[in-house]
Amino acid sequence: NAGVTQTPKFQVLKTGQSMTLQCAQDMNHEYMSWYRQDPGMGLRLIHYSVGAGITDQGEVPNGYNVSRSTTEDFPLRLLSAAPSQTSVYFCASRQSPNYGYTFGSGTRLTVV
Amino acid sequence: DQQVKQNSPSLSVQEGRISILNCDYTNSMFDYFLWYKKYPAEGPTFLISISSIKDKNEDGRFTVFLNKSAKHLSLHIVPSQPGDSAVYFCAASDEYGNKLVFGAGTILRVKS
Repeated sequence: NAGVTQTPKFQVLKTGQSMTLQCAQDMNHEYMSWYRQDPGMGLRLIHYSVGAGITDQGEVPNGYNVSRSTTEDFPLRLLSAAPSQTSVYFCASRQSPNYGYTFGSGTRLTVV
Repeated sequence: DQQVKQNSPSLSVQEGRISILNCDYTNSMFDYFLWYKKYPAEGPTFLISISSIKDKNEDGRFTVFLNKSAKHLSLHIVPSQPGDSAVYFCAASDEYGNKLVFGAGTILRVKS
């Protein structure tokens, strides 16, 4: 049971490049989310999904797109990378309300 | 405006003693509160949660207390162990739990 798998673990992008951060879970969880962690700020919600085909914005959605075509996968797309998007990105999933989220191990992204 | 605040950036405790981590929130719509633990280069791990209808929840060495009138919650770890050394995040959400709001975290060091 792999849990929540994020790829890649590390990535360096040039300003203006686009890329997709992958997230997959094998627990058949309906709820999935993307967070970013910046020093001194805790984790902030980017986008979330309550099921296949349903997504919504979180606290800091600008510059990011998501889609949820399957229960298992929830990719995060950076449209045109900016240095302000340098951060550690965490994907998470959970079984249902009132259950804690299970987090992946993160993707460390640097935009130069 | 931070809705969830962890005012102590760090805490140092002797092994075997009690660790008390504190968290304050401002949004009275928060209905569900969680604590996560995070080791370096890993994703956060769910520890314990509490609903707003309770004032205490206990799980082994971990107890969370909620004081709704003061908008304050705390995590007690008894007895503290060196393996508890990590960053602890407090998080809160509404009743649906889709949008977790995190505090900035407290670094706990348990000395042996």
